[in-house]
Amino acid sequence: DAGVIQSPRHEVTEMGQEVTLRCKPISGHNSLFWYRQTMMRGLELLIYFNNNVPIDDSGMPEDRFSAKMPNASFSTLKIQPSEPRDSAVYFCASSLVYRYGYTFGSGTRLTVV
Amino acid sequence: ELKVEQNPLFLSMQEGKNYTIYCNYSTTSDRLYWYRQDPGKSLESLFVLLSNGAVKQEGRLMASLDTKARLSTLHITAAVHDLSATYFCAVEGGADGLTFGKGTHLIIQP
Repeated sequence: DAGVIQSPRHEVTEMGQEVTLRCKPISGHNSLFWYRQTMMRGLELLIYFNNNVPIDDSGMPEDRFSAKMPNASFSTLKIQPSEPRDSAVYFCASSLVYRYGYTFGSGTRLTVV
Repeated sequence: ELKVEQNPLFLSMQEGKNYTIYCNYSTTSDRLYWYRQDPGKSLESLFVLLSNGAVKQEGRLMASLDTKARLSTLHITAAVHDLSATYFCAVEGGADGLTFGKGTHLIIQP
């Protein structure tokens, strides 16, 4: 299994531009999570999906952030317009059932200048 | 709101020594996870603890869970340099995914 696949690995963009982060969960996993990691705030849950349905998006910082999961094998996190304070590492994770834990992707390091 | 506190946040120790990282959490949960993160890398799952009294060991690392005390420990035995990393505990509160502690940055010096 290739694990959770995220793209791109690195993204540098200018303030005001739209950014789209992509995630392919492990096949068969039914839950998908987007996390953001910064030095100041640590790891924060942004949103999670169960069976492709958004369950809790209370962690999404602002309306500039949106996430979709059109099918079981693909999810996107979009920031529009991006701001320098959005600079962080964004992780996607998937799980099947809790007893097997959560598998994290390699992350996308976003820099907004 | 579920809160997860780790201590210490920073630990420098010598090879061969033993030490323990503590993870306290604020609400009832039977599911606790430990992860390792190397600089610039993703989170690697170390242990999944699913019940009170659970104890798991892998090499020089041993994790335990006391749900009554809302406490988990990660014990390092005879530390080696390769264990240098940041260690996170995370608690699953209901159906809300994982809430992470701030991490323990561990440096093991020869």
